[in-house]
Amino acid sequence: AQSVTQLDSQVPVFEEAPVELRCNYSSSVSVYLFWYVQYPNQGLQLLLKYLSGSTLVESINGFEAEFNKSQTSFHLRKPSVHISDTAEYFCAVSEKGGSYIPTFGRGTSLIVHP
Amino acid sequence: GAVVSQHPSRVICKSGTSVKIECRSLDFQATTMFWYRQFPKQSLMLMATSNEGSKATYEQGVEKDKFLINHASLTLSTLTVTSAHPEDSSFYICSAREAGTGSNTEAFFGQGTRLTVV
Repeated sequence: AQSVTQLDSQVPVFEEAPVELRCNYSSSVSVYLFWYVQYPNQGLQLLLKYLSGSTLVESINGFEAEFNKSQTSFHLRKPSVHISDTAEYFCAVSEKGGSYIPTFGRGTSLIVHP
Repeated sequence: GAVVSQHPSRVICKSGTSVKIECRSLDFQATTMFWYRQFPKQSLMLMATSNEGSKATYEQGVEKDKFLINHASLTLSTLTVTSAHPEDSSFYICSAREAGTGSNTEAFFGQGTRLTVV
């Protein structure tokens, strides 16, 4: 079985500052990794995913995440955040060859201050 | 991208009544749909997996007689909370995976339903 750890429940940051949201996972098999974003009272939207190939994946709105197999991490980063990035971010993992039922981390609340 | 529509987005009901939540895949057929429950400031908890035309698979600790799931077509799954109580108040989210796709494809999420039982 797999598990996901998001160590930071809340990350406050000022606008235009860089940010990193941490995600570590554990699994006995190879995995797919995902970051989802949730705005208040809304469902989840896929931000980016790692399936295979390049370990650095990017989203269209400036976020990127790097898969580090040795450290079993998939941290999310953005070099300069906007007020509109304020949201809940969930890291998720699913096992390759499995049923694709992702396991979610507890979430990290990104709060961007002006 | 694929769209999953969940209805209603908010519902308030009296204790003891039943509430039905619909999850529709608007532009694709979904063999499998997932129902999650999310408590405040917490992650999503998978409640059950529903497959079109068969009985849902419930996660351990989820009462199947209380949370009735029906997946009668490839575009619709429903979750009925029966005899609702205040402790059932929560945010319920569905997701759907397109039929015929492999296990590495994403599931698309509905916008969620905020249920408040008074």
